[in-house]
Amino acid sequence: KAGVTQTPRYLIKTRGQQVTLSCSPISGHRSVSWYQQTPGQGLQFLFEYFSETQRNKGNFPGRFSGRQFSNSRSEMNVSTLELGDSALYLCASSLGRRPSVEDEQFFGPGTRLTVL
Amino acid sequence: AQSVSQHNHHVILSEAASLELGCNYSYGGTVNLFWYVQYPGQHLQLLLKYFSGDPLVKGIKGFEAEFIKSKFSFNLRKPSVQWSDTAEYFCAVNAPDNMLTFGGGTRLMVKP
Repeated sequence: KAGVTQTPRYLIKTRGQQVTLSCSPISGHRSVSWYQQTPGQGLQFLFEYFSETQRNKGNFPGRFSGRQFSNSRSEMNVSTLELGDSALYLCASSLGRRPSVEDEQFFGPGTRLTVL
Repeated sequence: AQSVSQHNHHVILSEAASLELGCNYSYGGTVNLFWYVQYPGQHLQLLLKYFSGDPLVKGIKGFEAEFIKSKFSFNLRKPSVQWSDTAEYFCAVNAPDNMLTFGGGTRLMVKP
């Protein structure tokens, strides 16, 4: 069974540009969550999608947005990039919305975004 | 807002030493608790999780964690570490709104 895949793995952008990151969940998984990982702030929750609807959103500005498609694949978009957006963006998928004994979030390898 | 604290940012141990990593959270209601590990160059992966029942939870690779509700703690332990346990360890809590809130992480280095 293939794991969570994220593309691209590495990105270099300049301030002011916008970027789109993609996440393909494990087959059959309907929930996709996004996290930002930085050395200073650690792992922070961005948002969660389930059945093409955003269910939860973390404390990030409106420049961060996302969507989920009918096949559960998800994209996140960051507009007007700032230097502080440089981070590893992780995607995680799970069967359902709530972790349980039988279900858990599986993480992808991440997309390393560098903003110059 | 929910918060998770990992007090040890860096830990250096020799092989065969015992490990205990602290994790405290702030939410007073029912919680689900997790420990994740990130080996160098690899994905985050789940070590163990607690939902209910026995507060002593056993995970993969010989790790265990104890949930102490009165102390809002979920400490990770391993009796004897190996060089291959060198990694970053994250405690996480899932409550009250189903968002995973992570601690700041603990970098463990095991000297051979």
